[in-house]
Amino acid sequence: EVQLVESGGGLVHPGGSLRLSCAASRFTFGSYWMSWVRQAPGKGPEWVANINQYGNEKYYVESVKGRFTISRDNAENSLYLQMNSLRPEDTAIYYCARVGLFRGYSYFEYWGQGALVTVSS
Amino acid sequence: DIQLTQSPSFLSASVGDRVIITCRASQGISSFLAWYQQKPGKAPKLLIYAASTLQSGVPSRFSGSESGTEFTLTISSLRPEDFATYYCQQLNSYPPLFGGGTKVEIK
Repeated sequence: EVQLVESGGGLVHPGGSLRLSCAASRFTFGSYWMSWVRQAPGKGPEWVANINQYGNEKYYVESVKGRFTISRDNAENSLYLQMNSLRPEDTAIYYCARVGLFRGYSYFEYWGQGALVTVSS
Repeated sequence: DIQLTQSPSFLSASVGDRVIITCRASQGISSFLAWYQQKPGKAPKLLIYAASTLQSGVPSRFSGSESGTEFTLTISSLRPEDFATYYCQQLNSYPPLFGGGTKVEIK
């Protein structure tokens, strides 16, 4: 069974930085697009960023552009999210997800258990 | 951005009921729509992709359909483990936004 395990969450002051990691196992990590999705307390999921298999194509939600950077290390089977200039509204559980693809249709097929990021003074 | 409007936002139903959740897209998205189930404290779980394709391992009482920009998730006979919140998501273009969610609770 596919495994995705996030780490690196915690409490950070506004304006601070945090780096999330997602360790992938039991599948060929380098063959898949990957994604970060967050969920604020009591709210629905919000897509944050996507990265292609090679790490050279990236997309971000408008609210994190210029502050967050998605990256990956296929040799280490790991996905990352560098978060800078954090704001209270970035407080959420952050999930990494594997993007599935079937006949041109994509979907978020497998999800990790999530890492809680709290931005507060 | 393509917006998704889910309805109802809250639904009270009994075991055995047929439940229908609707997701309306603000513009055409072909069949680039997925449905997820989320239980408290857990990550979302993929149920359906490409509007009507059942994810492997998902019970056949779940089904998806589309008519233009309106998509439906149907649970044919609600079981106790189906009480959860359901989200649709469009994957036609960036950003792949989620709908507002439908919480299904026990009547």
